[in-house]
Amino acid sequence: DAGITQSPRHKVTETGTPVTLRCHQTENHRYMYWYRQDPGHGLRLIHYSYGVKDTDKGEVSDGYSVSRSKTEDFLLTLESATSSQTSVYFCAISGEGRGQPQHFGDGTRLSIL
Amino acid sequence: RKEVEQDPGPFNVPEGATVAFNCTYSNSASQSFFWYRQDCRKEPKLLMSVYSSGNEDGRFTAQLNRASQYISLLIRDSKLSDSATYLCVVSHMNSGYSTLTFGKGTMLLVSP
Repeated sequence: DAGITQSPRHKVTETGTPVTLRCHQTENHRYMYWYRQDPGHGLRLIHYSYGVKDTDKGEVSDGYSVSRSKTEDFLLTLESATSSQTSVYFCAISGEGRGQPQHFGDGTRLSIL
Repeated sequence: RKEVEQDPGPFNVPEGATVAFNCTYSNSASQSFFWYRQDCRKEPKLLMSVYSSGNEDGRFTAQLNRASQYISLLIRDSKLSDSATYLCVVSHMNSGYSTLTFGKGTMLLVSP
């Protein structure tokens, strides 16, 4: 399995609180991604990173921010969590080059009450 | 039109059966194609890449038809452990990295 660790694995918090999810990789891959998965929507890209301090928005980036200060860590922050952000969050990594698949972490189940 | 479309299923098949899933994609610039498998409450895992000439990995065969923008996955001799959701995934390159678009998945249930 690809060396990807997500933390926490589960979190329950209240509306309006800040939440940070961490993705840590040991593969030294340049590209990292954050997705959310919801019933009826499949996997949707939130943000991605193509290098240290290089990030960009995905399909559903509103309400989320990211940071990548080291190659191995990619953080996803919900500045003020809302119930609509209750979801399963997956981090993924990929190598460089054409046709590289992405490999996923175990996921974080986040509930916003 | 949805970017990647799959029949959600479920496909209910007995052990030993052959089952096929289809997927269509709308972006003709898509360059790479994959099938992922996702077990309930788990992360998606790469099952196989799909090559233009078609490719096989054990009991699994993938086909790509670029002209029709159509991808298929054939599973022979189904096992109970094949029960999962199968995600069709297409990618295109964007400034050197791959952007993946996921289908919503096809659920397979294999029964004894």
